[in-house]
Amino acid sequence: GAGVSQSPSNKVTEKGKDVELRCDPISGHTALYWYRQSLGQGLEFLIYFQGNSAPDKSGLPSDRFSAERTGGSVSTLTIQRTQQEDSAVYLCASSLEWAGGEQYFGPGTRLTVT
Amino acid sequence: GESVGLHLPTLSVQEGDNSIINCAYSNSASDYFIWYKQESGKGPQFIIDIRSNMDKRQGQRVTVLLNKTVKHLSLQIAATQPGDSAVYFCAENAGGTSYGKLTFGQGTILTVHP
Repeated sequence: GAGVSQSPSNKVTEKGKDVELRCDPISGHTALYWYRQSLGQGLEFLIYFQGNSAPDKSGLPSDRFSAERTGGSVSTLTIQRTQQEDSAVYLCASSLEWAGGEQYFGPGTRLTVT
Repeated sequence: GESVGLHLPTLSVQEGDNSIINCAYSNSASDYFIWYKQESGKGPQFIIDIRSNMDKRQGQRVTVLLNKTVKHLSLQIAATQPGDSAVYFCAENAGGTSYGKLTFGQGTILTVHP
């Protein structure tokens, strides 16, 4: 079946603009995760959704970052007033409940803030 | 703060050799560890995991070893193939209130020469 999809694959924006990144998880997966990966670095946890529970937002770096998950499926990560340091690849993953490390990752959205 | 790091940022091997990738972790509360493989332009792919009540786990051509005494994790790849060339990340989960959140190391670049 289809894997995790993300859109857009690439996004170039000007400093100060808002951006929205979309994630379509695997159908039936109740857990959804967002990570950020800077060039040559490991993944940095941002936020985690599990079913109808309140999301774990502890990884969001500032209040310019927010995410929502509608209908327990699609998720949108929004970055307001983008800064150059926000440039990175934003990765989304999903899993069956908390399935340990078996998180299935999407290809990511490469965000470049000029 | 807690962190997960790798001893060797790059590893070059000949096809057919065995590869060993190492990882040190600092959070003694971590009870679950995972290895991921990331190929260029793709999201990470789950390889193998291990819980803290184990010290060894084997998969297909891969073995993960966990030494809790020295907080060390390693991934062994047998008969390494060119297709194994990628960046390898270790990740940890501390459970409890960190349920759902993975902390990733910086990554090791594995290059397999034919």
